[in-house]
Amino acid sequence: AQSVTQLGSHVSVSEGALVLLRCNYSSSVPPYLFWYVQYPNQGLQLLLKYTTGATLVKGINGFEAEFKKSETSFHLTKPSAHMSDAAEYFCAVSESFSGGYNKLIFGAGTRLAVHP
Amino acid sequence: DAGITQSPRHKVTETGTPVTLRCHQTENHRYMYWYRQDPGHGLRLIHYSYGVKDTDKGEVSDGYSVSRSKTEDFLLTLESATSSQTSVYFCAISEAANSPLHFGNGTRLTVT
Repeated sequence: AQSVTQLGSHVSVSEGALVLLRCNYSSSVPPYLFWYVQYPNQGLQLLLKYTTGATLVKGINGFEAEFKKSETSFHLTKPSAHMSDAAEYFCAVSESFSGGYNKLIFGAGTRLAVHP
Repeated sequence: DAGITQSPRHKVTETGTPVTLRCHQTENHRYMYWYRQDPGHGLRLIHYSYGVKDTDKGEVSDGYSVSRSKTEDFLLTLESATSSQTSVYFCAISEAANSPLHFGNGTRLTVT
């Protein structure tokens, strides 16, 4: 079965610094991978997704992620953090199940703090 | 934003009582999901639906049941609430298999 590991439950960066949130997955088939962001008291919002094709994926708000098959990783980065980036971030892998349908398996989440 | 409404947004109930949470969508999407979110666990799938009257269990389905009698509504029922079911519950929808999920704003349930 697929699984997702997010390294670091809390990450703190200075405003303007590089953001790096780590995600490793396990999957026996080519995965579909997603990053979601959750702001306080809200649902999850899709940041970006990887399905096939280009391994560097650009998302909203200046975030991007690179799919590295050899490392089974899908780390999320942003060159320059902004105060508004403070939120919780979830990595997810799509799992296929009988009938051809899919469901998402989520990591435990990484809470990003941005300080002045 | 995807048209997803969860109700109620907050609920406090007592152990042993039945509780029903509602998810209503206006997108006519085929797939609907119920997740629960707990600290340190991310989101875990409770049940999902792939069409009217077509539902199946997720990884944490014990103590929960669901129904989908119309495309737009997906109900989650806690048959006899327990304190371990205190959580934030999220409904999600997707248009097709492998499509991204769109989430509602959640229901915070407290079982005392």
